[in-house]
Amino acid sequence: EAGVVQSPRYKIIEKKQPVAFWCNPISGHNTLYWYRQNLGQGPELLIRYENEEAVDDSQLPKDRFSAERLKGVDSTLKIQPAELGDSAVYLCASSLETVYNEQFFGPGTRLTVL
Amino acid sequence: GQNIDQPTEMTATEGAIVQINCTYQTSGFNGLFWYQQHAGEAPTFLSYNVLDGLEEKGRFSSFLSRSKGYSYLLLKELQMKDSASYLCAPRGTDKLIFGTGTRLQVFP
Repeated sequence: EAGVVQSPRYKIIEKKQPVAFWCNPISGHNTLYWYRQNLGQGPELLIRYENEEAVDDSQLPKDRFSAERLKGVDSTLKIQPAELGDSAVYLCASSLETVYNEQFFGPGTRLTVL
Repeated sequence: GQNIDQPTEMTATEGAIVQINCTYQTSGFNGLFWYQQHAGEAPTFLSYNVLDGLEEKGRFSSFLSRSKGYSYLLLKELQMKDSASYLCAPRGTDKLIFGTGTRLQVFP
């Protein structure tokens, strides 16, 4: 069974440029999460989807971040414009049903903003 | 408020036993996860406790005391490959809250 797929694995951009990350969850997992992990810190939830509905986006900086999961399967997280402080690893995870189940993480996208 | 406290770093010797403690305060509580994360890799699931007591899984065990807001992860017969960060993640009302992680270094 394929795990959570993310692309790209690495991205280097200059500040003020846009960037997008893509995630394909494990087949059959209807809950999808985007996390941001800064160096030496634990993952911090940005947004959680149940199917195509964003049920928790309270930690998403909405002035520059956006996300979508149009068909309730794969998802895209976008930053526009990127700032220096956005440099981090962006992790996607998925789980069966809701938060009451184990989350499976993808390998992450390491973003560097210069 | 929500707060998770675990040691930043620990060291141990191959073959030894190490206990990583975690204390937490969350809005609501629905169980606690432990994840392992090797440098540059994604977190992987180790254990889950929802009731008080000890859960054993091979070389790894996890303990939970809900009344004390306390959990620990016990690693036995340490191997070099156990060098990683260990993340304590209590589940609040509707989300996991991850601690900063404990970086464990295992020496020969």
